[in-house]
Amino acid sequence: DAGITQSPRHKVTETGTPVTLRCHQTENHRYMYWYRQDPGHGLRLIHYSYGVKDTDKGEVSDGYSVSRSKTEDFLLTLESATSSQTSVYFCAISESRVGSPLHFGNGTRLTVT
Amino acid sequence: SQQGEEDPQALSIQEGENATMNCSYKTSINNLQWYRQNSGRGLVHLILIRSNEREKHSGRLRVTLDTSKKSSSLLITASRAADTASYFCATGESGNTPLVFGKGTRLSVIA
Repeated sequence: DAGITQSPRHKVTETGTPVTLRCHQTENHRYMYWYRQDPGHGLRLIHYSYGVKDTDKGEVSDGYSVSRSKTEDFLLTLESATSSQTSVYFCAISESRVGSPLHFGNGTRLTVT
Repeated sequence: SQQGEEDPQALSIQEGENATMNCSYKTSINNLQWYRQNSGRGLVHLILIRSNEREKHSGRLRVTLDTSKKSSSLLITASRAADTASYFCATGESGNTPLVFGKGTRLSVIA
């Protein structure tokens, strides 16, 4: 799986609590992405990073923040989880510029009760 | 917003048959990619076709791209039960924008 580790793999949390998901890569790729996957919606981009401390919003960024303090780690934070954020979250990386093939992690299944 | 849209949403075929999935998109692209997702796993990149290419092959996979119709097709020949998965197209738009994924086609290959 191209050296991408997502943690945790599963999490159940209560509405209103903060949640942080971690993506760790060993490929030294510049670009990292967070997508969410929901039935009927496919994959939607939340945020992405094009370098350390360089991030940008995606299509569904409201309620999410990200941080990238080093090349190998990209964190996704839900400041105050809501039931609508129940989803499967995928991290992906790519070697070169945006639009290149992506390599995905195996996802984090998040349930907000 | 969703760029690519796959058709059909679901497809069920017998082992050995060919499977064809289609993808339509809306804006100009510089490349189109196809991915596969097995249940419970992340997506795996299958093939990339650039906007100046019309056809590309990789093993049992054949991808076509028609930029005038803004559409692409993925053909899997001689399908196997192990090809059962969801298949997604993703478009790389002009400029440095991230890939935009469609909603996928669920393929079931019955042994």
